[in-house]
Amino acid sequence: AQTVTQSQPEMSVQEAETVTLSCTYDTSESDYYLFWYKQPPSRQMILVIRQEAYKQQNATENRFSVNFQKAAKSFSLKISDSQLGDAAMYFCAYRSARGGSEKLVFGKGTKLTVNP
Amino acid sequence: DTGVSQDPRHKITKRGQNVTFRCDPISEHNRLYWYRQTLGQGPEFLTYFQNEAQLEKSRLLSDRFSAERPKGSFSTLEIQRTEQGDSAMYLCASSRTGTSGSRNEQFFGPGTRLTVL
Repeated sequence: AQTVTQSQPEMSVQEAETVTLSCTYDTSESDYYLFWYKQPPSRQMILVIRQEAYKQQNATENRFSVNFQKAAKSFSLKISDSQLGDAAMYFCAYRSARGGSEKLVFGKGTKLTVNP
Repeated sequence: DTGVSQDPRHKITKRGQNVTFRCDPISEHNRLYWYRQTLGQGPEFLTYFQNEAQLEKSRLLSDRFSAERPKGSFSTLEIQRTEQGDSAMYLCASSRTGTSGSRNEQFFGPGTRLTVL
């Protein structure tokens, strides 16, 4: 079974600074997808960024980028120019690319605080 | 586009009672998922439907839990004989087939928070 580990329960960053959230995962599969989701307080979860395991190039979405290290099974999220609205729980998630398996496997999350 | 909606948003019940939650997916989405999120944890997969067919169920889904999606549109999740350990946020998500790989993104609803006294 696949597992996802987020070793930082809480992180904080100053507004306009850069922060990196860590995620490692365990799988025996070679083809899969990785995601970072954001869950603001009392609001619904939204997708921040996605990465296909077969792609060597790291995904980027505006201020959000990932460092995907397939051999190390590591998938960290970098937030540049942090904004107050980035404060939220961030969840790393894994999904198999195997046909018929659609479930997301989540880590426990990292609570990000952005200080003004 | 109204997004994924869930009803009720909050439910307080006494141990032993039955509860039912409803999820309305995004209208063109044919896949629907249920997850459970307890305090301090990430969401855990419970089950998913493609149209009206329930294609995958987690071992977390005990005999007291049942989910339906009778017409391939909205879905209900029923918990019978609730226990205090069932207290959690129940999240619904939807996605559509016809897009490749990771792009069949799961869109989440706001969740139903269940408290069992």
